[in-house]
Amino acid sequence: EDQVTQSPEALRLQEGESSSLNCSYTVSGLRGLFWYRQDPGKGPEFLFTLYSAGEEKEKERLKATLTKKESFLHITAPKPEDSATYLCAVQAYGANNLFFGTGTRLTVIP
Amino acid sequence: DGGITQSPKYLFRKEGQNVTLSCEQNLNHDAMYWYRQDPGQGLRLIYYSQIVNDFQKGDIAEGYSVSREKKESFPLTVTSAQKNPTAFYLCASSVSGKTEAFFGQGTRLTVV
Repeated sequence: EDQVTQSPEALRLQEGESSSLNCSYTVSGLRGLFWYRQDPGKGPEFLFTLYSAGEEKEKERLKATLTKKESFLHITAPKPEDSATYLCAVQAYGANNLFFGTGTRLTVIP
Repeated sequence: DGGITQSPKYLFRKEGQNVTLSCEQNLNHDAMYWYRQDPGQGLRLIYYSQIVNDFQKGDIAEGYSVSREKKESFPLTVTSAQKNPTAFYLCASSVSGKTEAFFGQGTRLTVV
């Protein structure tokens, strides 16, 4: 059975304090791993797709990496506007939808 | 402006009533999805559709129904058989079932 575990559940950072969010997954044949950002009361916003171990993608202060068992979302020198819930999802080969974790709620304090 | 439009943003339902949530996309995507989000839980799939006039049940389809008469539209009906309908409902679409999904802004349904 597909499983996605995100940690920590919540993270508070000072502005400029870099850190990483973790997404551990178990899936029968990974087709893709997806990161989304969700603001309160809004729909998730797509950030990255990773397909194979060793792959990395970057966007502004965010960098996503992938191994065979987990993915990390690294946040470098975060700003208050980076505060949001970050969701990780996986898609298995043969599946037609994404399986989501419960998210990490990030708060960046000025 | 391309995107996914969900309406209404907020919806109140009396017990025993059916309600329909609207989802329209102008991205020319083939696949569309409905997810439900509850506090402390990951998004859970209700229904999905890969082509017009065809759809499949997701993990929590009981008490819900959908239709896909047009490529652009994928409405979700929450029936009176759904025992705990209060939740945040999210519609998404993707080019095919094999690519990243893009989400609408959600509908918050509350049973009163």
